[in-house]
Amino acid sequence: GQNIDQPTEMTATEGAIVQINCTYQTSGFNGLFWYQQHAGEAPTFLSYNVLDGLEEKGRFSSFLSRSKGYSYLLLKELQMKDSASYLCAVTGTNAGKSTFGDGTTLTVKP
Amino acid sequence: DAEITQSPRHKITETGRQVTLACHQTWNHNNMFWYRQDLGHGLRLIHYSYGVQDTNKGEVSDGYSVSRSNTEDLPLTLESAASSQTSVYFCASSESWGPTNTGELFFGEGSRLTVL
Repeated sequence: GQNIDQPTEMTATEGAIVQINCTYQTSGFNGLFWYQQHAGEAPTFLSYNVLDGLEEKGRFSSFLSRSKGYSYLLLKELQMKDSASYLCAVTGTNAGKSTFGDGTTLTVKP
Repeated sequence: DAEITQSPRHKITETGRQVTLACHQTWNHNNMFWYRQDLGHGLRLIHYSYGVQDTNKGEVSDGYSVSRSNTEDLPLTLESAASSQTSVYFCASSESWGPTNTGELFFGEGSRLTVL
């Protein structure tokens, strides 16, 4: 089976940097995804890591350590529109399907 | 533009009734998935399919069924709706995972089902 943990809620200030952590235990590993989900909307893809290290994409970066079963999503220069849920998802031995964590609700305050 | 659409977007039904949620994608993806999302539980996989005539059970499949007769559609049927099945249902599709494909999910807008 797979177990994915991430904090339930986080709060940060506009313009600041926030790091959302995700730890996982899986049988096999074929990649880790981060998705963003605004309230009442569908999740949308943010990033994918399959090798150790940092992937940078504009204000968002995602890091992976496979040996530690650990990832984080780093959001820089926070904007009010970044208030959303951030979902960590892992693809295990069955490479076609992802298992999701419960999500982290981020609130950005002025 | 390619897309994935769900219908109905909102549905209220009574306990014991059969309900079918439709999902149609024009991405030409082989993989299709149904998830449910409840407060405090994130997205949980109900059923998935890797191609025509292929269906597989996810972690919360009891009380649900799917069929895949073509590439574009994966309807989700609740045979006898229960109050515990009140939820938001998301359909998703993806390319087959491989050296050049991450297998990222493309989601429909969701179907909110209330079972009274």
